[in-house]
Amino acid sequence: DADVTQTPRNRITKTGKRIMLECSQTKGHDRMYWYRQDPGLGLRLIYYSFDVKDINKGEISDGYSVSRQAQAKFSLSLESAIPNQTALYFCATSDENRPSYEQYFGPGTRLTVT
Amino acid sequence: GQNIDQPTEMTATEGAIVQINCTYQTSGFNGLFWYQQHAGEAPTFLSYNVLDGLEEKGRFSSFLSRSKGYSYLLLKELQMKDSASYLCAVVNQAGTALIFGKGTTLSVSS
Repeated sequence: DADVTQTPRNRITKTGKRIMLECSQTKGHDRMYWYRQDPGLGLRLIYYSFDVKDINKGEISDGYSVSRQAQAKFSLSLESAIPNQTALYFCATSDENRPSYEQYFGPGTRLTVT
Repeated sequence: GQNIDQPTEMTATEGAIVQINCTYQTSGFNGLFWYQQHAGEAPTFLSYNVLDGLEEKGRFSSFLSRSKGYSYLLLKELQMKDSASYLCAVVNQAGTALIFGKGTTLSVSS
């Protein structure tokens, strides 16, 4: 079974709709992250969380919100989706007890906003 | 701020050796990562360098020079399955997350 799972894997939605992307992990890691990936722009950090009570904005948080429901679950919401939020979204986790920041990625959610 | 530069695309042939360069500017340094990403898939960890020098892991090696703000990933005995994007990333200034470069797409031909 995958250690980091994302649902849905693919989603098409319309402009103005609210949508939630979910991430679950069985790695027991405290740290979780949401990234988006666009062609030619690489991976950009949206939000990250170091525990259930700790939520931090990344470099491109506008238009997004997150919820850390439990250590193992971290959800990303688009309150009112717009076409330029069409992208590949990745959730990742890391272990605070490691000296490095190696991140383990989920399989990604491909979101299309029409 | 932080900035990471790497070539956009590279091509090579099976069996060859290829070197993918990465230069970075950062305030403070907490380590540099290389990830491999096949099209439409998740990035997977290749290497981590925090001290100067070469780290070898099978066909892949990664080098770091902190004084020059420079790293490279060396891939030997290239195989078709090595066709992928290679992402260079550094730990951000706050030490809380990774900042990724835009990635280098490597195409290996027979």
